[in-house]
Amino acid sequence: AQTVTQSQPEMSVQEAETVTLSCTYDTSESDYYLFWYKQPPSRQMILVIRQEAYKQQNATENRFSVNFQKAAKSFSLKISDSQLGDAAMYFCAYRSAANNDMRFGAGTRLTVKP
Amino acid sequence: DAMVIQNPRYQVTQFGKPVTLSCSQTLNHNVMYWYQQKSSQAPKLLFHYYDKDFNNEADTPDNFQSRRPNTSFCFLDIRSPGLGDAAMYLCATSQPGPRIDNTEAFFGQGTRLTVV
Repeated sequence: AQTVTQSQPEMSVQEAETVTLSCTYDTSESDYYLFWYKQPPSRQMILVIRQEAYKQQNATENRFSVNFQKAAKSFSLKISDSQLGDAAMYFCAYRSAANNDMRFGAGTRLTVKP
Repeated sequence: DAMVIQNPRYQVTQFGKPVTLSCSQTLNHNVMYWYQQKSSQAPKLLFHYYDKDFNNEADTPDNFQSRRPNTSFCFLDIRSPGLGDAAMYLCATSQPGPRIDNTEAFFGQGTRLTVV
């Protein structure tokens, strides 16, 4: 089964600064999808950004961008101009295109300091 | 708005007393997932459906069962809850792969289960 590793249990960033969250994954599949989800305290899991493995171009959504390195099986999230509302748990997720399995990393708790 | 709804938001059950958690969706997605999330941990996939096709994770205890009577509804049954089953249970839906867009899953707000 595929595994997702987030090696940073906690990260901290100053408001308006940039932070990068790391994620690596292990798979033998060639077709899959990668996601970053945000889970604020006691609130719903919401999608931050997605990347289809067949796309070479890194995904970008406003202040959020990814660095997708398929050969290295790495998928990091960069948050620019960090805001207080960005404080949350961030989960990296892998979804198989073949069987719809979706698995999560252990998460990174992001703190934003004013 | 189309969404994923979990009921109840909070459930207290007695040790060993069967409990059912429900999930409904208005997105008309073919795939539905159940996850168990313990405090400050990653969501753990219990099982998922592709339409009526049930996919059980190898390490999901037999104590956990699921039913999907139709596209819109999915239930998680815990036959004999133990103290270790106290957790947040998340339901999610998605379109099936492979596909070129709309690949993400949509989550409900979760049901927090307490076992006393």
